[in-house]
Amino acid sequence: NAGVTQTPKFQVLKTGQSMTLQCAQDMNHEYMSWYRQDPGMGLRLIHYSVGAGITDQGEVPNGYNVSRSTTEDFPLRLLSAAPSQTSVYFCASSYGTHQPQHFGDGTRLSIL
Amino acid sequence: GQQVMQIPQYQHVQEGEDFTTYCNSSTTLSNIQWYKQRPGGHPVFLIQLVKSGEVKKQKRLTFQFGEAKKNSSLHITATQTTDVGTYFCAENTNAGKSTFGDGTTLTVKP
Repeated sequence: NAGVTQTPKFQVLKTGQSMTLQCAQDMNHEYMSWYRQDPGMGLRLIHYSVGAGITDQGEVPNGYNVSRSTTEDFPLRLLSAAPSQTSVYFCASSYGTHQPQHFGDGTRLSIL
Repeated sequence: GQQVMQIPQYQHVQEGEDFTTYCNSSTTLSNIQWYKQRPGGHPVFLIQLVKSGEVKKQKRLTFQFGEAKKNSSLHITATQTTDVGTYFCAENTNAGKSTFGDGTTLTVKP
């Protein structure tokens, strides 16, 4: 099993550009989440989903959109990139509530 | 919203010394999960505690959940260079939402 796969691994954007970070899992997990991690800080929840068709906001949702049309995929869209969104983005999935989260390798995003 | 505070932010130890990181909340936690992130890597799940006063061990690692379920600790006995990384605690709620502490970064001097 591949687990949680994130693409791309690295990306550089210009301010105002839009892009989609991809996340896919092959473990048939219902729950998926997006986090951002800034240097020296913990993981802050952006958006999460408890199943296909269901999404909700986390702690820092502004500037990001998500959708969950299938169990496997949970893409994160940056609508108009800003330098403050420079960060490492992690996608995670879990079987259900109170279950271990499995993280992808992350996408390192720089916005100039 | 729910906040999980973690201390210390950094800890530097000599190889062989013990290490402890603490996780505190002002409200009762439904559970506590611990993760380890190696430099340049992604968080990896270590363990979950659910019951009041629970203690679990993994080789040199001991995890505790407070009696009031408002705090938790991770203790490493006789650190090794392979223990280097950042240790995070997190609460995973019934709604599927997780709140992470800011982590404790451990460096080990050989």
